Amino acid sequence: NAGVTQTPKFRVLKTGQSMTLLCAQDMNHEYMYWYRQDPGMGLRLIHYSVGEGTTAKGEVPDGYNVSRLKKQNFLLGLESAAPSQTSVYFCASSQHRSHQPQHFGDGTRLSIL
Amino acid sequence: SQQGEEDPQALSIQEGENATMNCSYKTSINNLQWYRQNSGRGLVHLILIRSNEREKHSGRLRVTLDTSKKSSSLLITASRAADTASYFCATVALSGGGADGLTFGKGTHLIIQP
Repeated sequence: NAGVTQTPKFRVLKTGQSMTLLCAQDMNHEYMYWYRQDPGMGLRLIHYSVGEGTTAKGEVPDGYNVSRLKKQNFLLGLESAAPSQTSVYFCASSQHRSHQPQHFGDGTRLSIL
Repeated sequence: SQQGEEDPQALSIQEGENATMNCSYKTSINNLQWYRQNSGRGLVHLILIRSNEREKHSGRLRVTLDTSKKSSSLLITASRAADTASYFCATVALSGGGADGLTFGKGTHLIIQP
């Protein structure tokens, strides 16, 4: 049982390039989330989804877009990467609302030069 | 904005000792959760305590919650080298009711010396 899988694990981009981070979960969870983790800042919520075809903004959504075309997948896109988006990105899922424990992937380490 | 603040930021103890970490938060909550993060890995859920609970146990973990002080503590008893990790508290706000995600503190980095 893989749980939450994130791809890629590492990536280096140049400023202005675009990319998509993929998150897949095999637990049939309704809710999925994208967080970023920066040194000394803890985790901050970027976007989340309460079900297939839905998305919503979190605390720090600017510069990111998301899509949830399939229940098991949640994609995070950077249209024009900026150095400020250098971070570790974590995807998580939960069975229902965030009142319940969340299951996390191992993260994508992204550097923007 | 960060809802929770863990204290201390870093803690180093000898194996076998108990480790206590504290978390303070700002707004009324539905529940508070503790997570562990090993170096280079994702977060792992440890324990959830609801706002109407005062204490909860899970194995060597003991969590307390004081809603009047807006604070929680995580106690790890009889620590082991494998407990070396960062520990985060995360809250679910009482208001809103939607899946707004968890609001995390900055974490306590725990080192268990063999």
